[in-house]
Amino acid sequence: QLQVVESGGGVVQPGGSLRLSCAASGITFRSYDMHWVRQAPGKGLEWVALMRYDGDIKYYGDSVKGRFTISRDNSKNTLYVQMNNLRVEDTAVYFCAKGFWNAFDIWGQGTVVTVSS
Amino acid sequence: QSALTQPPSASGSPGQSVTISCTGTSSDVGAYDYVSWYQQYPGKAPKLVIYEVKRRPSGVPDRFSAYKSGNTASLTVSGLQAEDEADYYCSSYAGSNTFNWVFGGGTKLTVL
Repeated sequence: QLQVVESGGGVVQPGGSLRLSCAASGITFRSYDMHWVRQAPGKGLEWVALMRYDGDIKYYGDSVKGRFTISRDNSKNTLYVQMNNLRVEDTAVYFCAKGFWNAFDIWGQGTVVTVSS
Repeated sequence: QSALTQPPSASGSPGQSVTISCTGTSSDVGAYDYVSWYQQYPGKAPKLVIYEVKRRPSGVPDRFSAYKSGNTASLTVSGLQAEDEADYYCSSYAGSNTFNWVFGGGTKLTVL
């Protein structure tokens, strides 16, 4: 069964850092683009970042550009996002999702990030 | 404020059809045939129900259909069932010089 599982969420103070992980199983991870998408409490979805399958291309949403860094380790079937200089408005459930024809077809259950003093 | 505009709510009785709209611009919905729709139950991950404007992933019932006209995409759920009550989000690829995706604010579908 294809699945992805996020981890690494928690509570952090404004200005702090956190690294999220997304472990994939049941798929040829190295063949697929992978994304991070977040959802603030009671709000809609927001695309955060993309890493192409080969690791050569990374793109970010404007709200996280310069603060978040997406990476992947294809040998470990794992996607990461390093989040620095966190802001209160970064509080959200962070989902990793597999890319599929410019959509997102496999999602994890999400990991909760709370930025609060 | 979300990049794509959806009505906050929609409703219908069991067996009826309901259509949810998603309005973007000529830079996203109008520019690419990469509109997708997601169903999300409270506290759960989104589930892809439509991709590339009107294609259904394997396992999604054909009660879900969608189309696009200009800058507006629409999702229709026919033969409403209680299990269809959920939040629905549209999304569009919006890249031009870069990769970028935008989402709508979501529509709460209530089955009366």
